[in-house]
Amino acid sequence: GDSVTQMEGPVTLSEEAFLTINCTYTATGYPSLFWYVQYPGEGLQLLLKATKADDKGSNKGFEATYRKETTSFHLEKGSVQVSDSAVYFCALLISGGSYIPTFGRGTSLIVHP
Amino acid sequence: SQTIHQWPATLVQPVGSPLSLECTVEGTSNPNLYWYRQAAGRGLQLLFYSVGIGQISSEVPQNLSASRPQDRQFILSSKKLLLSDSGFYLCAWSPVLTQGVNTEAFFGQGTRLTVV
Repeated sequence: GDSVTQMEGPVTLSEEAFLTINCTYTATGYPSLFWYVQYPGEGLQLLLKATKADDKGSNKGFEATYRKETTSFHLEKGSVQVSDSAVYFCALLISGGSYIPTFGRGTSLIVHP
Repeated sequence: SQTIHQWPATLVQPVGSPLSLECTVEGTSNPNLYWYRQAAGRGLQLLFYSVGIGQISSEVPQNLSASRPQDRQFILSSKKLLLSDSGFYLCAWSPVLTQGVNTEAFFGQGTRLTVV
């Protein structure tokens, strides 16, 4: 079946540090890939997405590149802020397949001033 | 534009009491609808999903049920709450762009349920 694996958290960084949150996947078909962010006490917000190999999704300084050869979609940001503290979820959806997205377990990011 | 509304935002209920959480979507038609639960510090657990009015699929057998009485309305219910039903409940929707083509899900703001 389909699955998404994220690095264990929490990830703790100082402000302006470089962020990488790893995400790898297994899929029975050709997936679209997503990153969601969840701020404390809120629902999930779509952060970025990529629908085909080598696509780069980007938003709010975050980037992730769809790497089919390594089945990965790592999230990166060059300089994190305290306001980036949240839980980040990687997800996939098979186009033309099941309409149920598959989520990773989430990675908590804590950014200290 | 499409919006999703979920209420209430917080709820404290005694054990054995009934539950009704409501979710509505505006600005679209025939969406896929989902109910998720998120326990403290944990990932997302899919509870129910629906591809149309009256069509409900359950992922996890438990003390909860779901209904879709209207195209853009999704309700999560329980007749008698248990302590273990406490958690953060999230409603979500996704559009079906063309037949067989699915895209990302959009989430409501969630309901924090505490069973005491």
